[in-house]
Amino acid sequence: GAGVSQSPSNKVTEKGKDVELRCDPISGHTALYWYRQSLGQGLEFLIYFQGNSAPDKSGLPSDRFSAERTGGSVSTLTIQRTQQEDSAVYLCASSPGSDTQYFGPGTRLTVL
Amino acid sequence: QKEVEQDPGPLSVPEGAIVSLNCTYSNSAFQYFMWYRQYSRKGPELLMYTYSSGNKEDGRFTAQVDKSSKYISLFIRDSQPSDSATYLCAMSPGGKLIFGQGTELSVKP
Repeated sequence: GAGVSQSPSNKVTEKGKDVELRCDPISGHTALYWYRQSLGQGLEFLIYFQGNSAPDKSGLPSDRFSAERTGGSVSTLTIQRTQQEDSAVYLCASSPGSDTQYFGPGTRLTVL
Repeated sequence: QKEVEQDPGPLSVPEGAIVSLNCTYSNSAFQYFMWYRQYSRKGPELLMYTYSSGNKEDGRFTAQVDKSSKYISLFIRDSQPSDSATYLCAMSPGGKLIFGQGTELSVKP
């Protein structure tokens, strides 16, 4: 079956611009996660959606980062006024419950 | 101190060797333990998942969890060049995953 998909696969933007990253989870998975992977920091949790519950935003590094999940399916991660330190691979994962998570291929963001 | 510690390597072994990858953790609330494999410029791929102490085997891979020592391991038997990748341990109390730094493994033909 189809796995988690993310778009775009690569994004190059200028400092100060806003970007939107999209995630399509595996059909039927109730939980959706965003992580960030960078050389110095490894894989870090950003935000977590579970069903209709309020999202866990505890990993968002600043108020420039936000995410939404529409209709319990597709999610968009938005970074406003991008900075060079935002350059990283942004990974989305989905889960049928609260344990196993299946990752997408990621979006490689480069902020010039 | 990080919640999850993993030796970053790199680790280089000859084809056919047994590989041992390890992580230690400090949070007693962790109850789900996973190993992911990540090839260059790809997303992490779930290899093994367990939630109890003991061993779990899947083909050439064995995952071992020792909750009393807060220590998990992944063993790869008869390693192949195609096993060359970064291996990430991950654990969770339920919900978000906390990852180790990843161990870069190279299996030489």
